[in-house]
Amino acid sequence: DQQVKQNSPSLSVQEGRISILNCDYTNSMFDYFLWYKKYPAEGPTFLISISSIKDKNEDGRFTVFLNKSAKHLSLHIVPSQPGDSAVYFCAARERIQGAQKLVFGQGTRLTINP
Amino acid sequence: EAGVAQSPRYKIIEKRQSVAFWCNPISGHATLYWYQQILGQGPKLLIQFQNNGVVDDSQLPKDRFSAERLKGVDSTLKIQPAKLEDSAVYLCASSARDSRYEQYFGPGTRLTVT
Repeated sequence: DQQVKQNSPSLSVQEGRISILNCDYTNSMFDYFLWYKKYPAEGPTFLISISSIKDKNEDGRFTVFLNKSAKHLSLHIVPSQPGDSAVYFCAARERIQGAQKLVFGQGTRLTINP
Repeated sequence: EAGVAQSPRYKIIEKRQSVAFWCNPISGHATLYWYQQILGQGPKLLIQFQNNGVVDDSQLPKDRFSAERLKGVDSTLKIQPAKLEDSAVYLCASSARDSRYEQYFGPGTRLTVT
């Protein structure tokens, strides 16, 4: 039962263009969504988040959009830079009996080509 | 500020052997998480501690996996006996009680069971 899905295993984008990474979820009880970035041999690092009561959050080159009716969120990176090449994980937060639990998608490998 | 520390970074064992992983969270972080990340998948929560108490261990295979967090700081995760399907990266993460929900991950321990 995959509650958070990233249907694109990989994405290749030219440097300077926009990268769009997508994520779908099924659980309407998720109240917070996060994007993590992971380089090889390192742990995931937090990138940006959005509350379920908002539809957009922007931080520099990174913008996350949330469409609650479609249960869909996306991460936009513009302009894309070579250092953005990494695996990106979408995660959703669920509160269960006072505990906060993150459910992760499978990840999308982003490659920025010079 | 020092990040989440984990050791060892790599471990190769034979099936039916036992193995232990260690994690030291960011100083002052009350919540500690252990995740299992199988190749090609996102991290899956195994167990969550709040200080030295277990908050969620619903996805921990308790017949072979155990974890403890004595004194509410360091934590160890043990597998005994290991199976081939336990081959994965084991990630430790921590978060502050009043964080903006993001978790800080360590570099992980790559376990190979042969």
